[in-house]
Amino acid sequence: AQSVAQPEDQVNVAEGNPLTVKCTYSVSGNPYLFWYVQYPNRGLQFLLKYITGDNLVKGSYGFEAEFNKSQTSFHLKKPSALVSDSALYFCAVRVASSNTGKLIFGQGTTLQVKP
Amino acid sequence: DAGITQSPRHKVTETGTPVTLRCHQTENHRYMYWYRQDPGHGLRLIHYSYGVKDTDKGEVSDGYSVSRSKTEDFLLTLESATSSQTSVYFCAISLLRGADTDTQYFGPGTRLTVL
Repeated sequence: AQSVAQPEDQVNVAEGNPLTVKCTYSVSGNPYLFWYVQYPNRGLQFLLKYITGDNLVKGSYGFEAEFNKSQTSFHLKKPSALVSDSALYFCAVRVASSNTGKLIFGQGTTLQVKP
Repeated sequence: DAGITQSPRHKVTETGTPVTLRCHQTENHRYMYWYRQDPGHGLRLIHYSYGVKDTDKGEVSDGYSVSRSKTEDFLLTLESATSSQTSVYFCAISLLRGADTDTQYFGPGTRLTVL
């Protein structure tokens, strides 16, 4: 079965420090990987995606993510965290040739950035 | 929110009552999705649509039905609401053709409480 895991329910980081939110996946086939962010009482906002090509993907708000096929991971990173980055982050995967566009989501990681 | 509106935004209802949630989009996107968000589960797909009158089930479709009589509207119906259907419901659209590489964009959500 295809799945996505976000092993940390919460990540705490000080403002100005680098942050990493972890994501691992298990799929049979080539994965397409996505990161979304959700602020309180809001819908999900798209951050970035990996389809093919360069393993380092850059996205919105200074975020980037690194695709690692051997470790089946797609960790979200930012060099310098802001308090305003505090939110709930979701990793999602879709398998190539799924032909329906269905996404499988991880359970989410709450990022807390402290001043 | 990619031109997506959801109504109502909040609803409290009683067990056994039918409930219909509406997702409306303004840009004639072909693919639309309904997800539910629950703590510890991330988002899970309920139903999706790939065109007018063309719908299919997702991973948690039991107890839900959908209809799409117009491109712009995708309705989610709980025929007889149960407490286990208390959740936040999100509608999403694919901007392009619903291909695997498409990004899905989400509406603002509907918070449903079933007493």
